[in-house]
Amino acid sequence: KNEVEQSPQNLTAQEGEFITINCSYSVGISALHWLQQHPGGGIVSLFMLSSGKKKHGRLIATINIQEKHSSLHITASHPRDSAVYICAGATGNQFYFGTGTSLTVIP
Amino acid sequence: ETGVTQSPTHLIKTRGQQVTLRCSSQSGHNTVSWYQQALGQGPQFIFQYYREEENGRGNFPPRFSGLQFPNYSSELNVNALELDDSALYLCASRIGLAGQETQYFGPGTRLLVL
Repeated sequence: KNEVEQSPQNLTAQEGEFITINCSYSVGISALHWLQQHPGGGIVSLFMLSSGKKKHGRLIATINIQEKHSSLHITASHPRDSAVYICAGATGNQFYFGTGTSLTVIP
Repeated sequence: ETGVTQSPTHLIKTRGQQVTLRCSSQSGHNTVSWYQQALGQGPQFIFQYYREEENGRGNFPPRFSGLQFPNYSSELNVNALELDDSALYLCASRIGLAGQETQYFGPGTRLLVL
């Protein structure tokens, strides 16, 4: 069992739909990161959370420390949101990554 | 643009060879981590360097080694390449040790071992 689990593994949505990606972790972490990886490999950091909720444009990330669970929401999804979304738990000297959720948004 | 660059972008090697991958971090970022990402998998932590010393290592054999230089560049060296070493190798830099700082990822080096 991985220290960080994501669901779903694959997700296809129609443009405009509200999307939720879930992440659960079993290790003690100091922060939870949400990352976006486009085809070709480049990774962009979307959010870093240690509590509560953060919003950036159409993206919202929440974390529940007691339940060791985080969610990434995308409102009014768009084809350019198509990517792999990865959550990662951060400890002092390393990150534990989920296997990613592959999102495809269809026009 | 994250300010982190990696070279080369792609590389083909044969089994048994040695490879050196390079990463240039943002100025001031004294922590660099290296990750291996196999196709369809999440990144796996290889090791981390802080102020030119290794201070954390994942489940990778000693033939994976690294260096960090004072000019915020670093190297990942892999000896005796195996077919399973084929992957995307990512470096990421940040300020300080604590995991609460944002990591900035490079674009990766895609290594193919034949």
